[in-house]
Amino acid sequence: NAGVTQTPKFQVLKTGQSMTLQCAQDMNHEYMSWYRQDPGMGLRLIHYSVGAGITDQGEVPNGYNVSRSTTEDFPLRLLSAAPSQTSVYFCASSYSTTLSSGNTIYFGEGSWLTVV
Amino acid sequence: LAKTTQPISMDSYEGQEVNITCSHNNIATNDYITWYQQFPSQGPRFIIQGYKTKVTNEVASLFIPADRKSSTLSLPRVSLSDTAVYYCLVGLPLFSGGYNKLIFGAGTRLAVHP
Repeated sequence: NAGVTQTPKFQVLKTGQSMTLQCAQDMNHEYMSWYRQDPGMGLRLIHYSVGAGITDQGEVPNGYNVSRSTTEDFPLRLLSAAPSQTSVYFCASSYSTTLSSGNTIYFGEGSWLTVV
Repeated sequence: LAKTTQPISMDSYEGQEVNITCSHNNIATNDYITWYQQFPSQGPRFIIQGYKTKVTNEVASLFIPADRKSSTLSLPRVSLSDTAVYYCLVGLPLFSGGYNKLIFGAGTRLAVHP
């Protein structure tokens, strides 16, 4: 049981390049989400998905695309990278969005992205 | 929609009890309150969860008043290794679809000093 796996762990991009951050979970969780965390700041929700084929925007969705073709995978795409997207990105999953007893969020180890 | 509100930072010394309070005025009826801890360069990890009154585990206690509009995380006898950011999390209901956006607040940066 690997939990939530993110790749790559580190990436440097040039302005205007595109890339995809991969996220996979093996817990059969319906809910998956992406957060970004800027230095010294809290977590901000980018996009989330409540199941295969269903995605929606979070707090800071501009510049990012997502898709959810399978329950296991939830990739985050940067279409045209900008320096403002330099951040640490965390993928997370949970059984559902209701914070009921026993349902907690599992986080990946993070992906450090630098856009120059 | 109101987010959670926590103090931005707190300082403490080893061996003291630390209490961090979170306000969540728009908590949904069926939602639990969950607290997470984040060390530098790591993803957040679960600490404790509760619905009402008091919950205690080996790490912390969680106090929730009857109106559930706030909660207090209590860390007994903190050590240097408790230096981290602590997040209070509640689901915020959308107006359509019934799905919750799981939005974190800014968190509380706790510094424990020798």
